[in-house]
Amino acid sequence: GAVVSQHPSWVICKSGTSVKIECRSLDFQATTMFWYRQFPKQSLMLMATSNEGSKATYEQGVEKDKFLINHASLTLSTLTVTSAHPEDSSFYICSASSTSGRAYEQYFGPGTRLTVT
Amino acid sequence: KQEVTQIPAALSVPEGENLVLNCSFTDSAIYNLQWFRQDPGKGLTSLLLIQSSQREQTSGRLNASLDKSSGRSTLYIAASQPGDSATYLCAVDGSARQLTFGSGTQLTVLP
Repeated sequence: GAVVSQHPSWVICKSGTSVKIECRSLDFQATTMFWYRQFPKQSLMLMATSNEGSKATYEQGVEKDKFLINHASLTLSTLTVTSAHPEDSSFYICSASSTSGRAYEQYFGPGTRLTVT
Repeated sequence: KQEVTQIPAALSVPEGENLVLNCSFTDSAIYNLQWFRQDPGKGLTSLLLIQSSQREQTSGRLNASLDKSSGRSTLYIAASQPGDSATYLCAVDGSARQLTFGSGTQLTVLP
């Protein structure tokens, strides 16, 4: 149980284009989803927290107009990187938590590797 | 603001050795602490979760301890194997119900 998927697993896009990454909880309802980014050989940095049906809460220094997060259902959250630039190239990982079971434990997706050329 | 530190940053050991990875955190007001494994280019695999009221958790060759008052946790790996080679991350679930990650320990187990 508690499986989280991400799509795509990797994507290459040209500078100036937008890219959408999906995060799905496959076998549970995720009231809260989190988006992280990870630069090479560095740890995970929280970008934003989203609750179903509400606006996302962004961490300090994260541009909300550049990283658009939508959490329209209890099983799906999307992260759209708008007008991507090479410095946005990174590994993006989502996680989801449920109010049942071990409440607030986060279950992580496999990550999406974004390369902007 | 919670800060999580992991020592050492990298560790190389011969196969069969027992080893200890260290994690320290600055704010002891936590709900739980979790240890993850990350293989290169991959996502996170949860290894052990210790609730704030617990002192340790065990899974197979892994044992994690938590001393909340001193802000420390250790991950003990017994009889290490080459397949244990990965980056190990500890993360603390604090008062904001958000995970704060350490920078990780890159473990290499030599055959």
